[in-house]
Amino acid sequence: DAKTTQPPSMDCAEGRAANLPCNHSTISGNEYVYWYRQIHSQGPQYIIHGLKNNETNEMASLIITEDRKSSTLILPHATLRDTAVYYCIVRVEDTGTASKLTFGTGTRLQVTL
Amino acid sequence: NAGVTQTPKFRILKIGQSMTLQCTQDMNHNYMYWYRQDPGMGLKLIYYSVGAGITDKGEVPNGYNVSRSTTEDFPLRLELAAPSQTSVYFCASSYPPDSVNSPLHFGNGTRLTVT
Repeated sequence: DAKTTQPPSMDCAEGRAANLPCNHSTISGNEYVYWYRQIHSQGPQYIIHGLKNNETNEMASLIITEDRKSSTLILPHATLRDTAVYYCIVRVEDTGTASKLTFGTGTRLQVTL
Repeated sequence: NAGVTQTPKFRILKIGQSMTLQCTQDMNHNYMYWYRQDPGMGLKLIYYSVGAGITDKGEVPNGYNVSRSTTEDFPLRLELAAPSQTSVYFCASSYPPDSVNSPLHFGNGTRLTVT
């Protein structure tokens, strides 16, 4: 699976959009981009994933560049409860690889008043 | 629908003791995983299973064993606890990765200290 690079930490004011970048320059054509977050040492929580197109759900939006070498997770209106470590992961959707996610150290997002 | 349930939440072991970390899921997921997370670090895969009766090693399997006798349960066994196994252990489950919706669902972890 391709490796990812994320900034170690970011700050965001409550109510503003939080834009979390991820670099995955070695991504392969069949690898998806997944985002998870971990709040205060709880189990990681799935946020969103995508292959080529931008995706949106009730939690966030995922913007993937045309060359797929980077992506941005957008939390449109960050709240204090969004303070967490955010992980960007790429993985192959293939039963042979058994979905073995590789978690790096992520981005610690601090939402402030 | 409880999701992924791990027990116990906390445990302290002496060096050389053994224990089993329990994990059960009620989502009928074929795939299950065990990860460990050391302080300030990301998660590392210990073992995984693609279905009942099938298990395989992940990135850091030494010192651990698993079994998968049912779809629901995936216990992790520590035979001879060592201080290096002090960590938070997360169990996860998912549908097969080629499914439309196959993200991992995680439990809330077991905090293990070995002294």
